[in-house]
Amino acid sequence: DGGITQSPKYLFRKEGQNVTLSCEQNLNHDAMYWYRQDPGQGLRLIYYSQIVNDFQKGDIAEGYSVSREKKESFPLTVTSAQKNPTAFYLCASSIGEDSTSTDTQYFGPGTRLTVL
Amino acid sequence: AQSVTQPDIHITVSEGASLELRCNYSYGATPYLFWYVQSPGQGLQLLLKYFSGDTLVQGIKGFEAEFKRSQSSFNLRKPSVHWSDAAEYFCAVGAGDSSYKLIFGSGTRLLVRP
Repeated sequence: DGGITQSPKYLFRKEGQNVTLSCEQNLNHDAMYWYRQDPGQGLRLIYYSQIVNDFQKGDIAEGYSVSREKKESFPLTVTSAQKNPTAFYLCASSIGEDSTSTDTQYFGPGTRLTVL
Repeated sequence: AQSVTQPDIHITVSEGASLELRCNYSYGATPYLFWYVQSPGQGLQLLLKYFSGDTLVQGIKGFEAEFKRSQSSFNLRKPSVHWSDAAEYFCAVGAGDSSYKLIFGSGTRLLVRP
């Protein structure tokens, strides 16, 4: 089955620790995205990557880092610099065709991060 | 800058009743528009999308949406709601800057009365 997987589903972290959230896709999509979701605020873009070995900051990149070494993988690290990391994190991917200015994003099941 | 407004935070309807969820966007050209649904603790599932052509778009689970350029709206409708439709619904517009980014509304939570 093709799709996007995120792990773990639940993650607990002590203050001051870095944690890495996994996102893998087997859809052969070029573009991948990380969103943060807080109650009542919808989805906010953290980072996105349109192609391997390249990524761009989104609207709330401070305190986060990413890498895109492989097409199918886009891990997100929540660093100790992120002041309020408790949230639901969603990964998405899209084909990333050059011929259009946007395309459909498909989402993973999410990871809920709680800082203790 | 592009933006999306979903004016209703919560909507409650009775099972079997019709549903309309509102979405207004701000965009200079022809927008790419999406509706997603999210069940609690889950990811987002695409319901339907509008890129061009017929302004009435059919989606999954019996949903449809109508693009109205004059009103800058893309409202989601369903003629008869089922209890399983209770979820949060998000409208989104393409950022339009070749980045493939989407701008999301803040969501509308749908509650279904038995």
